Parts: sequence; C-alpha cells; structure tokens
Amino acid sequence: GAVVSQHPSWVICKSGTSVKIECRSLDFQATTMFWYRQFPKQSLMLMATSNEGSKATYEQGVEKDKFLINHASLTLSTLTVTSAHPEDSSFYICSASWDRVSKNIQYFGAGTRLSVL
Amino acid sequence: AQTVTQSQPEMSVQEAETVTLSCTYDTSESDYYLFWYKQPPSRQMILVIRQEAYKQQNATENRFSVNFQKAAKSFSLKISDSQLGDAAMYFCAYRTYNNNDMRFGAGTRLTVKP
Repeated sequence: GAVVSQHPSWVICKSGTSVKIECRSLDFQATTMFWYRQFPKQSLMLMATSNEGSKATYEQGVEKDKFLINHASLTLSTLTVTSAHPEDSSFYICSASWDRVSKNIQYFGAGTRLSVL
Repeated sequence: AQTVTQSQPEMSVQEAETVTLSCTYDTSESDYYLFWYKQPPSRQMILVIRQEAYKQQNATENRFSVNFQKAAKSFSLKISDSQLGDAAMYFCAYRTYNNNDMRFGAGTRLTVKP
C-alpha cells in the first residue's frame, strides 16, 4: 500500500510553545489530507480536511487559530498546534488519499504523540 | 449526520478460532464506502478490508471477510483462523461517495488467546 510518513512520532513541549507536525505522502501525490485527534482508548475524531493549495476545512468545534493546517504541496501537509496547553496533549494522526487511484482509501501516518507540560 | 456504532468494546478469541466484530451505521445516502481498520499497539492504522455499498458481494481479504447487510445497515467483520498478530483495536469506518470525510466507530479491542 501507499506510504504516509508522519514526523515527529513523539514531541514534548512546554506550555505556551508551538509545535509543528509534518505529514508526507512518500510515493503518491495526495489530493486530500486529513488530520485526526485520538484520545486514549477512544476513536479517531476528524479535525480538518485539507486540499492542496486551498484552505483547510475544519470540523465543528475545532479552533482554526489553534490548529493551523498548511497543505502547500501534493506531498506535504503540516499541522501546527499554536500556544499549546496541557489539554492539547493527545495523539494526532494524519492520512492522505488520491481518490481516483486509491479508490477512496485513506492511508494513515503512524501518528504523533504530543505531550504538553 | 452519519454515525457508526460498534457495540462491542472488547472481544476475545482463541487462537485459530473465528470471531465476528459488529458494526452498524446510520445514513440516508445510497452510495458510500465502508471500511475496517486495524490499530495495533504501534497505533499505526492499517486498512483491513473495504466494501462499496453498490456491490452486493461481500468483500474478502484472505482470512478477513465481511457480512454487509445494506438494508439493515450492518457491516460485520469475520476473522477466521485467528492469529496472535490479529490482536488490536478494530475500527469500523464510513464515508459517503462524494465526500472525503471518514467517520469512525468507537472501536473494538480484540484479544487473541494462545
């Protein structure tokens, strides 16, 4: 299957700092990338959907200014958690798809564990 | 809004036996896709199997098969000849035909006993 790389896998930061998480599609051009948040022992909650070259579409309740998403190229999307606080600690997962070829399958990165002290 | 329900928070199966994980969903759409994803302890989401709603034939992938009942809005996963490596969280997921959004169920934690 297609490979999606997510970096870093684990980040610890101080409260008030910003953290950037990268999501790369390594062997395909992703027309759409998705960002999810997963709390311990819970399901994945979609945060936002981004298409290359356009603004991300955020789910209801997700703060756009808090979670900045940039999808500058067909192979890279970034999620920046601005002014992170302990309540932002979570597991963040990205996925990517290119509908016509992937048959609507989303391929997932390995996730990033964010711990805010 | 579409919802996906997995009513079994935990399931266990003896190695080499068969287990079925349940999933129901609610939608007013006629065209959509259904998926089962596996999340092992590494937390990497892995696609197990995929079903297109317009196809009547149930999808199969080696030891994994589904029982898709469109009228009942049910999409169960059967794992045959269970292996220790099958132990993981299993998520049922739904997406519409024209929308990229994928909605996940709460997950079922599968334990495989040796």
